[in-house]
Amino acid sequence: DVVMTQSPVSLPVTLGQPASISCWSSQSLLYSDGNTYLNWFQQRPGQSPRLLIYEVSKRGSGVPDRFSGSGSGTDFTLRITRVQAEDLGVYYCMQGAHWPRTFGQGTRVEIK
Amino acid sequence: EVQLVESGGGLVQPGGSLRLSCETSGFTFSDYWMTWVRQAPGKGLEWVAHIKQDGTERYHVDSVRGRFTISRDNAENSLYLQMNSLRAEDTGLYYCVRGAYGPDLWGQGTRVTVSS
Repeated sequence: DVVMTQSPVSLPVTLGQPASISCWSSQSLLYSDGNTYLNWFQQRPGQSPRLLIYEVSKRGSGVPDRFSGSGSGTDFTLRITRVQAEDLGVYYCMQGAHWPRTFGQGTRVEIK
Repeated sequence: EVQLVESGGGLVQPGGSLRLSCETSGFTFSDYWMTWVRQAPGKGLEWVAHIKQDGTERYHVDSVRGRFTISRDNAENSLYLQMNSLRAEDTGLYYCVRGAYGPDLWGQGTRVTVSS
């Protein structure tokens, strides 16, 4: 199975400041159709996960533009330009290029 | 409104069975791969099973293969997960999810507790 590794596990942030989360995969996520299937999800406390970013850098429906994704192959990054209170929660990367799909262990974004 | 509504969870003894259901609305169900993802209490996300639009391809993660079966009824716009021989480690919140490459819609989940 493809192993997804996130860093850091916990991310203390200051509201209004930028933040970034890294994700590495044990195999390339470049699929045979030319797309790279790396997704990012946000899970607020007590809520279901929400798709933030798909195919590395495309924002999901209704996702604010302060969220952005980048990367290629096996190295990926989620960035938040200015963290807001509603951004607190756990963030997961997920690969959609290999079966079974696998998730990172999660990064908890919390107030410093 | 686009919705996924899970049901069928509950408390069951080890070795018992449950059938989870996911009723969908607001989109063309038969156009999408569908997936079950679970989350153990206080833990991360685990892909459980997925099924192709017409049901001809399905996949179950190793830890549930032979015990769980995913299925769908496109006429009823519904997804199912038959869970047999349940174990304590199957305890968690089970989410119905639309898609299998970039899962873009998640239900609220149904809770499964396996305990004697």
